[in-house]
Amino acid sequence: AQKVTQAQTEISVVEKEDVTLDCVYETRDTTYYLFWYKQPPSGELVFLIRRNSFDEQNEISGRYSWNFQKSTSSFNFTITASQVVDSAVYFCALSEEGAQKLVFGQGTRLTINP
Amino acid sequence: DSGVTQTPKHLITATGQRVTLRCSPRSGDLSVYWYQQSLDQGLQFLIQYYNGEERAKGNILERFSAQQFPDLHSELNLSSLELGDSALYFCASSVYGGINEQFFGPGTRLTVL
Repeated sequence: AQKVTQAQTEISVVEKEDVTLDCVYETRDTTYYLFWYKQPPSGELVFLIRRNSFDEQNEISGRYSWNFQKSTSSFNFTITASQVVDSAVYFCALSEEGAQKLVFGQGTRLTINP
Repeated sequence: DSGVTQTPKHLITATGQRVTLRCSPRSGDLSVYWYQQSLDQGLQFLIQYYNGEERAKGNILERFSAQQFPDLHSELNLSSLELGDSALYFCASSVYGGINEQFFGPGTRLTVL
């Protein structure tokens, strides 16, 4: 069965600090896809990244970076030099090939204080 | 703006009533998904349609039903509403299936009184 665990319920940091959001997943499939979504206070879900299970290269997009490690079943998300606008709830999600649906973690509420 | 539209934005109704939530996918997307977000259950997948046909079902109650029309818009029907159905309902769309990134609409906040 698919499962995503985001153990950090809430994180609060001061602006310009780096912060890492943890995501651990469970799946029996060898082919699967991992995602991160951002839910700002306005409520919509914003797609950030998609990763397939065969690509373990880390990805960097501006201040955002993602570390995918199959050995530990983790797909962690780091924000460098955080800004107040980064305040949101962040969700990690998993989709097994053929499963069609996204299975979401419980989310991590990130608060960036000025 | 994801390109996915949902109406209405807010809905307040009473227990026992029936409501319809509407979703228009991004241009070119064939798959539509419905998710429910509540405080106790988190984000839960309800159902998926692909090009008019039901493709996958999740934790969707029998009181709930959905369909996707020839123009690819979708409707989620919720009937015999209970207090516990109060939640944020999201529609998402993708080009094909679940391995593609899903783009979410702004959601419909349903309040059942």
